[in-house]
Amino acid sequence: EIVLTQSPGTLSLSPGERATLSCRASQHVISNYLAWYQQKPGQAPRLVIYGASNRASGIPDRFSGSGSGTDFTLTISRLEPEDFAVYYCQQYDTSYTFGQGTKLEIK
Amino acid sequence: QLQLQESGSGLVKPSETLSLTCVVSGDSISSRSHSWNWIRQPPGKGLEWIGYIYQSGNTYYRPSLKSRVTISVDRSKNQFSLKLKSVTAADTAVYYCARGDYYDSSGYSFEAFDIWGQGIMVTVSS
Repeated sequence: EIVLTQSPGTLSLSPGERATLSCRASQHVISNYLAWYQQKPGQAPRLVIYGASNRASGIPDRFSGSGSGTDFTLTISRLEPEDFAVYYCQQYDTSYTFGQGTKLEIK
Repeated sequence: QLQLQESGSGLVKPSETLSLTCVVSGDSISSRSHSWNWIRQPPGKGLEWIGYIYQSGNTYYRPSLKSRVTISVDRSKNQFSLKLKSVTAADTAVYYCARGDYYDSSGYSFEAFDIWGQGIMVTVSS
């Protein structure tokens, strides 16, 4: 099973700042099989990025994904108040696994 | 617009079987080759994928849960179901159903979950 490790565990930033979230895999991940989700308290996760770098429908262009192999990044260029949430990366090989999450909180 | 809605018992006794159903509305569960998934989240923790089923009936389960999990589909009712037997307190979680195999505008498929139910809290306790 591929293990995904996200860093940092918590990221404290202010609105308007740039956020960089990391997801490292224990083995090579096919880019088409890497996704990012946003989850707010009491809500289901929402797909943000699929195929490592493609924004899902309705996701603002301040969100971008990059990376390949074992290192992937989610970047939010200018944080809006509604962006503060927990973010998970997810991969697929024969099973799906998720990272443990990065909590993006208001500084 | 496609929507998913979980239902089932919110309280299950230890050693008994957890049973949940996910009703798909807004489109047919058979309209395209999507996987239909169950994912859970223990209180305060991260997400754990449980397994999927295709409308054909093909299934795949998380290896660590395989001996206890059954996912089935009822195409006539446009729904799919989860059964998890011999539950313990460790199975206490919010359970989500979700659609997999995201198709982009070109019709290319990606491994991602694009539609989720609201989730149902299941507590295992006597």
